[in-house]
Amino acid sequence: NAGVTQTPKFQVLKTGQSMTLQCAQDMNHNSMYWYRQDPGMGLRLIYYSASEGTTDKGEVPNGYNVSRLNKREFSLRLESAAPSQTSVYFCASRDREGSTDTQYFGPGTRLTVL
Amino acid sequence: GNSVTQMEGPVTLSEEAFLTINCTYTATGYPSLFWYVQYPGEGLQLLLKATKADDKGSNKGFEATYRKETTSFHLEKGSVQVSDSAVYFCALRNSGNTPLVFGKGTRLSVIA
Repeated sequence: NAGVTQTPKFQVLKTGQSMTLQCAQDMNHNSMYWYRQDPGMGLRLIYYSASEGTTDKGEVPNGYNVSRLNKREFSLRLESAAPSQTSVYFCASRDREGSTDTQYFGPGTRLTVL
Repeated sequence: GNSVTQMEGPVTLSEEAFLTINCTYTATGYPSLFWYVQYPGEGLQLLLKATKADDKGSNKGFEATYRKETTSFHLEKGSVQVSDSAVYFCALRNSGNTPLVFGKGTRLSVIA
C-alpha cells in the first residue's frame, strides 16, 4: 500500500515550457486534490476532483489544468510555465468512509521555473 | 466565507516546554476542525480532528478542543520533544464534500 505517490520529485523548467505532474493513490478514494505551498502562504487549493469524472477549480486555478484520468490518477498540467509557478506542489486524496475524514498527502514535487 | 487564522511563527521552545498554537476560524454552519502536521521534507499528515462543539481531538500527546463560543481550536501539548519540530496547520471543512480550508501554518522548533 503505497498511499499517494507523486512524480517527479524535483523539476526545473524554463519560462514557457510545459509539463505534467503525476499523482496516483491506491486507497480507492473518490476525492483528490492539488495544492501549492509557498512560504508564508500556507497551502492553497489549485483544483480538486470530488469523484471520478468531475473536476472543480480551487482558490488559484489560473495557469493550470487537471485531468482525472481514472479513480486512481489525477494529473496537473502547466501549459506555459511562469516564474510565479515556482512552488512545492502536493497531491492529496480523501478517505471519508464511515466517520473517517482524513486527507492523505503525497511527498510533494518541488518545481522551479527560471 | 470560510477562513482559518493561526498564530504566526516561528515558535521556538526548549524540550519539555508546554506548547500552545492558537487557531481561530470563521465559517458558516458547523465545520469539522483539523490539525495537520508537516515534518521536514514530507507531505502533511493528519494529527487530530474534532467534528462538533466541545469535542476534544487527541493524538501523540497533542490535544485540541472545539470551542464554538470562541470559534477556536487551539493545539496544546504538555511536554514537547525535539521530534515535534515541524509545521502545524489548522484546517476546517464546512460540510460534505467541500475542500479543506487551511491556515498558513506555524513552524515549531524544539531545541534540546
